Order: sequence, then structure tokens, then C-alpha cells
Amino acid sequence: GAVVSQHPSWVICKSGTSVKIECRSLDFQATTMFWYRQFPKQSLMLMATSNEGSKATYEQGVEKDKFLINHASLTLSTLTVTSAHPEDSSFYICSAPNGLAGETQYFGPGTRLLVL
Amino acid sequence: GNSVTQMEGPVTLSEEAFLTINCTYTATGYPSLFWYVQYPGEGLQLLLKATKADDKGSNKGFEATYRKETTSFHLEKGSVQVSDSAVYFCALSGGNNRLAFGKGNQVVVIP
Repeated sequence: GAVVSQHPSWVICKSGTSVKIECRSLDFQATTMFWYRQFPKQSLMLMATSNEGSKATYEQGVEKDKFLINHASLTLSTLTVTSAHPEDSSFYICSAPNGLAGETQYFGPGTRLLVL
Repeated sequence: GNSVTQMEGPVTLSEEAFLTINCTYTATGYPSLFWYVQYPGEGLQLLLKATKADDKGSNKGFEATYRKETTSFHLEKGSVQVSDSAVYFCALSGGNNRLAFGKGNQVVVIP
């Protein structure tokens, strides 16, 4: 089946630094990818829609300048958490719909971010 | 806006017991409904889906029926196994592939 990878799987950084997370669709092309944030024992919260060839669409309340999204190619989207602070510590997950499978979305394994 | 509500709290049950996880939704239009499962240490996987009213999604012994009159999509399995221990998320898609998730339910199956 379709596979989506994320890198890194976990990262620890100091407060004030920036962290880049990659999301790749390994065996299909994705013009759209989605970025979610998941807090412990809570649901996934959609942060933004990453669009290949155009700007990302952010959900209400998500800071565009804080969470930079770049859809570099049909198989790669990146999320950069800029000037990270401890409250940005979370589990970040991406997903990509496989057009051939209709609405089915394929999820990456997630990236655990800890900001000290 | 679109939202999904799942029953509160983890679910603990014995092997071969009957499992039900309730899910209700609020949406405009006619959304598609999904159940995703997250096994320990893994990403979310699609378990089953239904795209219109009265459709029944099924997979691996799990079933859920799209009930428009009660805006529900409850997940059921007649006889659970230890390997079914995971977190289960109900979700809906109102268009443009944007998913709204419920909070998820941790299911623990005891041998």
C-alpha cells in the first residue's frame, strides 16, 4: 500500500532554535499534504494544508510565521518550527491523500518534538 | 463547523468480548466517515470507511454503519483479540480531504 515517511522520528532542541520536519510520499505523488499536531491523549488537530506549487493554507489560530510549510515537490513537504519554545513540544504528523485511492489518506509515523 | 465526538475514556475488555466504540458527528452537507487505528509506535492506518448514508464499512472483523438519522458511526467487533489493542479514531471528511478527528479511544484487550 501507499507509504508516507517522516524524518526525523524524534528531535530534541534548545529553545529558540528552528526545527525542520520532512514528510515524503514514497510511492505516489501528492499535490496536497496535511500537517497535524497531537497532544498527549488528545486528538489530532489539523494545522495546515500543504499545496504543491502554492502557499500553504493554515487553520484558524495557527501562526503562519511560526510553522513554515514548503511543498517542495510532488513527494515532499516540510514543516519548520521556527524559534521553537517548550510549548511547541508535541507530536507532529503528516498525511497525504492518494488520488488513486479516493479520499483515503496515508499517514506518516509522526515526529516527536521536545523543546528544552 | 465539522466535529466528531467519541465516547470518553479508555476501553478495557477481555479477549473474545464484544467491542463498541461510539462516534457521533456534526457536519454540513454529506461527509464521508472513517475509522482510523493507531497501533503502538506506528502511524494511523485506515480501518474502514463509509461514504454515504446506510453504507456499512467493514475490515478485519470491525464494522460501522453510517447512520444519518442519528449522525452516528459506531464501531463494533464481535470478538476482540489482544492484537486489537490500539487507539481508535473516528473522523469525517467534509471535502478537500480535510479530516476532522475525534479524541480517540485507547482499547486494551486482556488475555
